[in-house]
Amino acid sequence: AQTVTQSQPEMSVQEAETVTLSCTYDTSESDYYLFWYKQPPSRQMILVIRQEAYKQQNATENRFSVNFQKAAKSFSLKISDSQLGDAAMYFCAGFMDSNYQLIWGAGTKLIIKP
Amino acid sequence: KAGVTQTPRYLIKTRGQQVTLSCSPISGHRSVSWYQQTPGQGLQFLFEYFSETQRNKGNFPGRFSGRQFSNSRSEMNVSTLELGDSALYLCASSLGSGANGYTFGSGTRLTVV
Repeated sequence: AQTVTQSQPEMSVQEAETVTLSCTYDTSESDYYLFWYKQPPSRQMILVIRQEAYKQQNATENRFSVNFQKAAKSFSLKISDSQLGDAAMYFCAGFMDSNYQLIWGAGTKLIIKP
Repeated sequence: KAGVTQTPRYLIKTRGQQVTLSCSPISGHRSVSWYQQTPGQGLQFLFEYFSETQRNKGNFPGRFSGRQFSNSRSEMNVSTLELGDSALYLCASSLGSGANGYTFGSGTRLTVV
């Protein structure tokens, strides 16, 4: 079975500081993809960053970067220079081509303190 | 380029009724997926369609069904509504398998009373 686990229900950070959200996963597949999605109060799920499992290099998108530890099955998201607009629910998800579905973590609510 | 459009945005139905939700994917996207989001169960996969074929289905009762049309637009139907079907239903589209990531709509908030 494939599972994705987010153990932090809520995190808070001061504006302009750095925060790391944790995610672990389990799969027997060798080829898979990992994602972080952001869901603001508007409800629309927005893709933040994507990592291909066969690539050792950690993905980066502007202020967002990941720490992908394949052996440990860990996929954390680092947000640098946090901004008020980063406040949202963040979901970690895994995708395998074999079943065409995203497997989701429970989410982490990120609070930005001004 | 228009995003993924879901209609309606809000819906209130009575137990026992049926409901149809609609999703128009991004132009050119042939894969459409549906997810149910609830506070208790989180995000759960309903089904995925590609070129009018259902490629996978989640663990939901037969009351939940879907289809995809030749223009890639998709509908999902829930018959004999139960209180527990109250949820946010999210539709997502992608070019192919979803490995490049999905683009989501804003969802349909269904309330069953």
